[in-house]
Amino acid sequence: GQQVKQSSPSLTVQEGGISILNCDYENDMFDYFAWYKKYPDNSPTLLISVRSNVDKREDGRLTVFLNKSGKHFSLHITASQPEDTAVYLCAAGWNNNAGAKLTFGGGTRLTVRP
Amino acid sequence: NAGVIQTPRHKVTGKGQEATLWCEPISGHSAVFWYRQTIVQGLEFLTYFRNQAPIDDSGMPKERFSAQMPNQSHSTLKIQSTQPQDSAVYLCASSSGTGGSAETLYFGSGTRLTVL
Repeated sequence: GQQVKQSSPSLTVQEGGISILNCDYENDMFDYFAWYKKYPDNSPTLLISVRSNVDKREDGRLTVFLNKSGKHFSLHITASQPEDTAVYLCAAGWNNNAGAKLTFGGGTRLTVRP
Repeated sequence: NAGVIQTPRHKVTGKGQEATLWCEPISGHSAVFWYRQTIVQGLEFLTYFRNQAPIDDSGMPKERFSAQMPNQSHSTLKIQSTQPQDSAVYLCASSSGTGGSAETLYFGSGTRLTVL
């Protein structure tokens, strides 16, 4: 089954608005959560990540919210810009001292309209 | 730092042929991962190595796929008797494996495999 799931395949937001991207996970062992950004024909790159010992992390216009009891995390992008248009992949994993294997969601395509 | 290097960028094979994909991780990174990307399945984990040792190959189709990491500077993914359903973009990633950003994956540009 899908251990990490993004239920919305697409999202359209007006420029200047808030984009909210959601991700649900199943595995209680996950203690690391991340959002990657992917442009067409490019590979994913890390945007922001958070560990399970915090429930929120901010970095500029980006905020990750983690709800461990609900097995859910989200990415909020404030003041959305057309250049934020991309596919956003959530990922989760845990570091078992042999490295951390990340499981990715299916992605949400964000379109920011000027 | 050239990043993760994958070759070839594109590979076309006939059904039943073998395909070998190459990956050079970022120098000093101890963990190397292989993922497969398709429109239907998204980004699927295949296998990973840490310090050249295979750690988890739970995503690998058992019969025709194999991966090796003979030294710290490269890893290969080999697909025997390729089938049309193997067509995908195969992504290699590496991570430092230690420190505060141990889990950050740095992806290569991928190899687009097309099986006719």
